[in-house]
Amino acid sequence: GQNIDQPTEMTATEGAIVQINCTYQTSGFNGLFWYQQHAGEAPTFLSYNVLDGLEEKGRFSSFLSRSKGYSYLLLKELQMKDSASYLCASMDSNYQLIWGAGTKLIIKP
Amino acid sequence: GAVVSQHPSRVICKSGTSVKIECRSLDFQATTMFWYRQFPKQSLMLMATSNEGSKATYEQGVEKDKFLINHASLTLSTLTVTSAHPEDSSFYICSARGTAHTEAFFGQGTRLTVV
Repeated sequence: GQNIDQPTEMTATEGAIVQINCTYQTSGFNGLFWYQQHAGEAPTFLSYNVLDGLEEKGRFSSFLSRSKGYSYLLLKELQMKDSASYLCASMDSNYQLIWGAGTKLIIKP
Repeated sequence: GAVVSQHPSRVICKSGTSVKIECRSLDFQATTMFWYRQFPKQSLMLMATSNEGSKATYEQGVEKDKFLINHASLTLSTLTVTSAHPEDSSFYICSARGTAHTEAFFGQGTRLTVV
């Protein structure tokens, strides 16, 4: 079956670094997405990885290992506004997004 | 990035009435649109996928006669919740993808409350 696993909740301190992990099993693979979703709002796109390695975009970086079915989102210099849910989604062979349940990130001062 | 506009953002309706939600791609042609439902503290649940000019493909368990989807143009898709009931209360989100895009862009979402 298809499955996306990510932690339910994480807590980190303002100014610190946090890594949110995601493992996936999908029928075929056409890329791994990370989205940010603030409470009561729609998700916003953060990153897309289809090749192995690290993609850096400002304070956010995303890593993919296709052989391990593993990705992580790295957030540096955390700010209070980074408190949100972070959704991992894998695109399967039909180009459908399979969504994880999301990781709620709590930032403390 | 590409912009997707969803309207209304909030709607309260009486049980038994119908509600229409619009999803527009403002600066690109959306060849594919997706409709999701999200209950509190849960993940996005795909309801249906629609390609412009063809019938929507519904996910298992989603009643196509209750959730009517129309994707008549490359910039507009609508979701109509017919004969709404309180259990239909949820956050409905559309997303759209064009041929030039890999990622899908989300609308702002619609909070539906059926009383």
